[in-house]
Amino acid sequence: EAQVTQNPRYLITVTGKKLTVTCSQNMNHEYMSWYRQDPGLGLRQIYYSMNVEVTDKGDVPEGYKVSRKEKRNFPLILESPSPNQTSLYFCASRGLAGSDTQYFGPGTRLTVL
Amino acid sequence: QQQVKQSPQSLIVQKGGISIINCAYENTAFDYFPWYQQFPGKGPALLIAIRPDVSEKKEGRFTISFNKSAKQFSLHIMDSQPGDSATYFCAARGAGSYQLTFGKGTKLSVIP
Repeated sequence: EAQVTQNPRYLITVTGKKLTVTCSQNMNHEYMSWYRQDPGLGLRQIYYSMNVEVTDKGDVPEGYKVSRKEKRNFPLILESPSPNQTSLYFCASRGLAGSDTQYFGPGTRLTVL
Repeated sequence: QQQVKQSPQSLIVQKGGISIINCAYENTAFDYFPWYQQFPGKGPALLIAIRPDVSEKKEGRFTISFNKSAKQFSLHIMDSQPGDSATYFCAARGAGSYQLTFGKGTKLSVIP
């Protein structure tokens, strides 16, 4: 089954404790992206990657890092989380040719205390 | 700077009624306009999409109307059902780009 998976689905942590949210897709997609979703603000892009070792900032990159060492994986790293990073995070992917459809993962609910 | 403005923020419709959600954009370079549907606890999923060379696209009970001169597009859900209750996001993408710019979302509640 074609899918985007994220782990963990729920995470409660404390300010300053480094964390990583993993994202993996099995569709051989080149393009991957991270979004955060906040009430009243919709979906805002954090970082995206066009392919292995190619990443770029989205609209709200401050406080986040990403890496793309393998085509299927695109982890989101919060090196020193703060309470304003409490949010619902989504990973997404799409191929660069053919269908325009962007596929989203199930989301990771992060709470930073 | 919000490039895609979506309204209303929330919408309550009776079963069998028509749900209408509107979006407006400013960037004339946008050439792809998808709508995503999100159920609670799930990620957004593509519902229907349109390109500016057509004024309307219909898939079942869902229709996108597109007005290029007004830079507006809307989602119509005919015969709305309780199972349509979800958050709907419009989005837009520029020509040659892979990045989607999303509206802020509309929470639709269809009541029996």
